[in-house]
Amino acid sequence: EDQVTQSPEALRLQEGESSSLNCSYTVSGLRGLFWYRQDPGKGPEFLFTLYSAGEEKEKERLKATLTKKESFLHITAPKPEDSATYLCAVQAGRSSASKIIFGSGTRLSIRP
Amino acid sequence: DAGVTQSPTHLIKTRGQQVTLRCSPKSGHDTVSWYQQALGQGPQFIFQYYEEEERQRGNFPDRFSGHQFPNYSSELNVNALLLGDSALYLCASSIRDRVLNTEAFFGQGTRLTVV
Repeated sequence: EDQVTQSPEALRLQEGESSSLNCSYTVSGLRGLFWYRQDPGKGPEFLFTLYSAGEEKEKERLKATLTKKESFLHITAPKPEDSATYLCAVQAGRSSASKIIFGSGTRLSIRP
Repeated sequence: DAGVTQSPTHLIKTRGQQVTLRCSPKSGHDTVSWYQQALGQGPQFIFQYYEEEERQRGNFPDRFSGHQFPNYSSELNVNALLLGDSALYLCASSIRDRVLNTEAFFGQGTRLTVV
């Protein structure tokens, strides 16, 4: 069964303290791995798509990487506005509209 | 360009009632998926619509049903509401025929509270 596990569940950092979030996945035929940011009471906001092992993508203080079994979201010198829940999701199968399976997320809190 | 829009934003219903939630996809998108997100959890896939038909379904009972209209907008219907149906309901739109550009864009959600 396709599964996505994120760790840690929650992470509290000081402003400027870099860290990484982990997403482990088990899926048959990975089509894409996604990272989303979600603020309380709002819908997920798309950040990155990764398609194959070794791929990396960056956006401001965020960098996402992918291996055959897991993905990391690296946060460099975070600011309080980076506080949010970060969701990892995978899409498997042949269709570009196959269902997306989400992890439970990592709640990130950045203290000033 | 308007993104994915959902209505209403908040809703309170009584156990046993029925509810209809609405979603308009992002311009140019033809596929709509619905998700249920309980507090502190990731979104759970309910079902997906394309060409006005249900194409895939997650592990949700038949009380959950949907519809897609010719303009690609969609409705989610839930019958015989239970307290456990209280959640944030998310609509996501995507394009079916793009090979790699498979990211889904989400609306702001409808917060359903069942009392």
